[in-house]
Amino acid sequence: EIVMTQTPLSLSVTPGQPASISCKSSRSLLHSDGKTYLYWYLQRPGQSPQLLIYEVSSRFSGVPDRISGSGSGTDFTLKISRVEAEDVGVYYCMEATHLPRTFGQGTKVEIK
Amino acid sequence: QVQLRESGPGLVKPSETLSLICTVSGVSISPSYWSWIRQPPGKGLEWIGYIYYTGTTNYNPSLKSRVTISVDTSKNQFSLSLTSVTAADTAIYYCARDYSGTYVFDYWGQGALVTVSS
Repeated sequence: EIVMTQTPLSLSVTPGQPASISCKSSRSLLHSDGKTYLYWYLQRPGQSPQLLIYEVSSRFSGVPDRISGSGSGTDFTLKISRVEAEDVGVYYCMEATHLPRTFGQGTKVEIK
Repeated sequence: QVQLRESGPGLVKPSETLSLICTVSGVSISPSYWSWIRQPPGKGLEWIGYIYYTGTTNYNPSLKSRVTISVDTSKNQFSLSLTSVTAADTAIYYCARDYSGTYVFDYWGQGALVTVSS
């Protein structure tokens, strides 16, 4: 089973400032089909998780362009260029290259 | 619009079986994969397993011996059965659309809290 390790586990950010979350996998997430199935989700307080980023760097419908994903192989990053109040919640990375599907521990983002 | 709704008992006794149904509306259950995911109170997300509309399944090895996921395409539903539950199975259980060709977990239910207690 792949282990997904997120850092930091919590983040306190001033509105308008950037934020960055790292996600490292214990094995390469490059699939034999050439794609990398690394996803990012945001779980706002009291809500179900929602998809933000698919296949490392593609934004899901409705996700603002101040949120971006990057990385390859085993190292991935989610960046928020200017944090807003609506960005508060827990961010999870998840890999779907291998089975079982595995989530990171989550990174809690709060506003200062 | 696409909606997923979990339904089932909110309280299950230890050693008994947890059963939940996910009703999908706004999209056909085929030809996608559909998953169950759970989240213990205050903790992270754990994938339980998925089912393809044909009935093919894959389960998390950590739960495999106790889990069964089934599908009823005529009702656009899929279901979860977890046997021999303990307090450690207390969690919010989510159903979600798994892989549909591009995205994974693009649609989620609102979640169902299941408490295991006598």
